[in-house]
Amino acid sequence: SQQGEEDPQALSIQEGENATMNCSYKTSINNLQWYRQNSGRGLVHLILIRSNEREKHSGRLRVTLDTSKKSSSLLITASRAADTASYFCASPISGSARQLTFGSGTQLTVLP
Amino acid sequence: DGGITQSPKYLFRKEGQNVTLSCEQNLNHDAMYWYRQDPGQGLRLIYYSQIVNDFQKGDIAEGYSVSREKKESFPLTVTSAQKNPTAFYLCASSIGGMDYNEQFFGPGTRLTVL
Repeated sequence: SQQGEEDPQALSIQEGENATMNCSYKTSINNLQWYRQNSGRGLVHLILIRSNEREKHSGRLRVTLDTSKKSSSLLITASRAADTASYFCASPISGSARQLTFGSGTQLTVLP
Repeated sequence: DGGITQSPKYLFRKEGQNVTLSCEQNLNHDAMYWYRQDPGQGLRLIYYSQIVNDFQKGDIAEGYSVSREKKESFPLTVTSAQKNPTAFYLCASSIGGMDYNEQFFGPGTRLTVL
């Protein structure tokens, strides 16, 4: 069963603009992770945010977590064509620190 | 180079045949996972293994089997009992014994049933 759901399903922006993707989840979590997948490739871990954190930065990435709303957002600033990919949120399955459940992803297209 | 490898990259199977997908990691990770991904969808967990000689069913284990005889290897067999096996299969690993575990993914195997 999928815990996280991303919104929007697809997003198309111009190079240089910011891209925001949202993730909602259902049960209490101790962390939430974001992954990136280029077409036909494996996933790459981007960032992990713990439940006691509200915001985290990594380069051009900014992740927020609102545990009261059970939601997270991923912001990519000053997007580049190379950011074109699918982005997934993932959260631990209740009772398991190592099992993750993945959302259905947001397909981001950055136009040059 | 440390990493996780999968082979083959593309695999074609005739209906009724069993096929085995390879997954190897040299990251010294305890935990390994197999996921299935259908077009435009997220990942669904097939099987996972916390340690050698132990594995657990995920959400969609029916028609699949695994083994974990060595820490670095976690092969997945797609059996003829899997009615719709055409998909992209991803293997992942993570460090055991921690509360927060990012997963490292292989490049995937695309299986097509002819």
